Formats: sequence, C-alpha cells, structure tokens
Amino acid sequence: DTGVSQNPRHKITKRGQNVTFRCDPISEHNRLYWYRQTLGQGPEFLTYFQNEAQLEKSRLLSDRFSAERPKGSFSTLEIQRTEQGDSAMYLCASSYRDNSPLHFGNGTRLTVT
Amino acid sequence: EDKVVQSPLSLVVHEGDTVTLNCSYEVTNFRSLLWYKQEKKAPTFLFMLTSSGIEKKSGRLSSILDKKELFSILNITATQTGDSAVYLCAVSHDGGSQGNLIFGKGTKLSVKP
Repeated sequence: DTGVSQNPRHKITKRGQNVTFRCDPISEHNRLYWYRQTLGQGPEFLTYFQNEAQLEKSRLLSDRFSAERPKGSFSTLEIQRTEQGDSAMYLCASSYRDNSPLHFGNGTRLTVT
Repeated sequence: EDKVVQSPLSLVVHEGDTVTLNCSYEVTNFRSLLWYKQEKKAPTFLFMLTSSGIEKKSGRLSSILDKKELFSILNITATQTGDSAVYLCAVSHDGGSQGNLIFGKGTKLSVKP
C-alpha cells in the first residue's frame, strides 16, 4: 500500500502526558500537512511542510504542539502536556505539487482522559 | 472571515434516488474547490474544480462549480448503500499555503436499502 500511513491508529492518554504521532507520506510527495478533526466538523488545518521546511502554522497550533519533518520524509506531531480539549482525530495528508489534491491518511484518534 | 458552508448537514434517501449536495464559499483569492468522501476514516479525494461551468464526472458522481455565485454542487445518481458517508467540501485560496484547505462541516448521507 503506497498511501499515506499514520501511526498509531488510536492513542489513549492521561491529561498532562506527552504524545507523539507519526506520518509517512506518499513517497513522491514533497508536501505534507497536519489537520485536526472533531466530531461533526470538517478537518481544520494545523501545519504544512514543503520538504523539511515548516512553511505555515495555524493559530490553532498552540505552543504545546510541535511538528517536525526531518530529511523531508516522515513527519511527527508532538503534543505536550495534553488537555482533554486535544481529543480529536489527527489527520496527515500529502500532495505532489502546488494546487494538487491532498491525499489523507486514516488518522490517529487521540483520547485524553 | 473565510468560510465554506455545506447543505444539507444530513440527508436520508433510499437506494436508487438521486441526491444533490451543496457547497457555498466566501474566501479571498479562490484557487480551487475540492470534494472528498469520508467513511469513518480518511477523506478520499473525489473532484477538484477550478473553472466555472465545466462538469467533472466519475461514474454516478458529478460536480460543477459556479465561481460567479460562489457555489458548487455534487450530484450522485442511482444511489447505493455504499454511498453512505460524509461528503466534505473544501476550498483552497491564496491567502494561505497551498495546502491550507478550508473545509465545510460536511453532509452526512445515509442511503437506505
């Protein structure tokens, strides 16, 4: 399967703990995006990489969130000191070039208890 | 404020019916409008529209964009139970990064046998 891969699929954590998610994009795609989706809502943009450079971050991305894409391949999204409001589906997507469609992974569902 | 509004928010039909889903938008420097289908997990890409009046078609699904009136419709003919899903409309614009899509809340379609 050469689609976008995300791990883990589910994560349950206690409030205050740190969590890290991983995304492996489609191999020839140099653009990678993170979105967050809550129940009954469309995905909300968090951040965007072109190769290893993080080019844009949403105002939604508080300082407890950090994302990296070393060497322009896979990406990680870390949430420090999790809060219950962080509970959501975190979606990763990649695209081949400017204004081409985004292809999404199956997401990581985070539950903060 | 940039926004994408979908209607209806939910819809129940019977197999064989034809449905029309609506998406209106207000964004600065519009680039393209995309439709996705989401069945519990990853949104899967359906159509990308950039020009007014040109219908895109894939099997029983079709979509068209009106850039003057700022809306798009997604038609599904001869619906099947496998069409049951949330249909998401998203708009990209020059105000953000190429991947900064603004999503609507989606239309939840349920097709009854």
